[in-house]
Amino acid sequence: QSVLTQPPSVSGAPGQRVTIACTGSSSNIGAGRDVQWYQQLPGTAPKLLIYANNNRPSGVPDRFSGSKSGTSASLAITGLQAEDEADYYCQSFDSSLSAHVFGTGTKVTVL
Amino acid sequence: EVQLVESGGGLVQPGGSLRLSCATSGFTLSNYWMSWVRQAPGKGLEWVAGIKPDGSETYFVDSLKGRFSLSRDNAKNSLYLQMNSLRAEDTAVYYCARDWGLGGFDPWGQGTLVTVSS
Repeated sequence: QSVLTQPPSVSGAPGQRVTIACTGSSSNIGAGRDVQWYQQLPGTAPKLLIYANNNRPSGVPDRFSGSKSGTSASLAITGLQAEDEADYYCQSFDSSLSAHVFGTGTKVTVL
Repeated sequence: EVQLVESGGGLVQPGGSLRLSCATSGFTLSNYWMSWVRQAPGKGLEWVAGIKPDGSETYFVDSLKGRFSLSRDNAKNSLYLQMNSLRAEDTAVYYCARDWGLGGFDPWGQGTLVTVSS
């Protein structure tokens, strides 16, 4: 049972900008815990996309950006490309559960 | 190149046991936390367990405490997840991942499928 909530799906045309929200609570994102984002292409393992709220690992295009405010975080993809079609998950640490927690996941569809 | 390769998955009957392994290369395992994350078919990601660099402490999601155990052999560059009293709901792809603490998981292995069924 995920404690971080994401929309099940978002879609956009090539070149457009889409955003994915990740809603948490006072025991995780709202407690100042960092948020990570992962991209999971069909049939593959997740890949770290954003760490510590708004940092991109080497090799991740700058089309991907993250932000955090209050008890929520968001991932933005600008200049949407066909290769961005994947599942995206947010992740943080929950102090009440003493456990890493993932979001419910969002499927991005490129129209 | 940093690599993580899981093995040991397969079909097991309810109540049975299975030991997963994660072979690592390309980095000094003894310097890092490591974790296991699982994904049930068609479902989202769930953190399962984590282990300190020296293996002195392990952490589990509450629902698995008592059934799963986690160990490592830094000299063999390997991580192990012992799963006992398996249930149908433990059916999932199990991934090992380098754990950056509060900075996320990177990289991930390719995963190994565990199917619990009679």
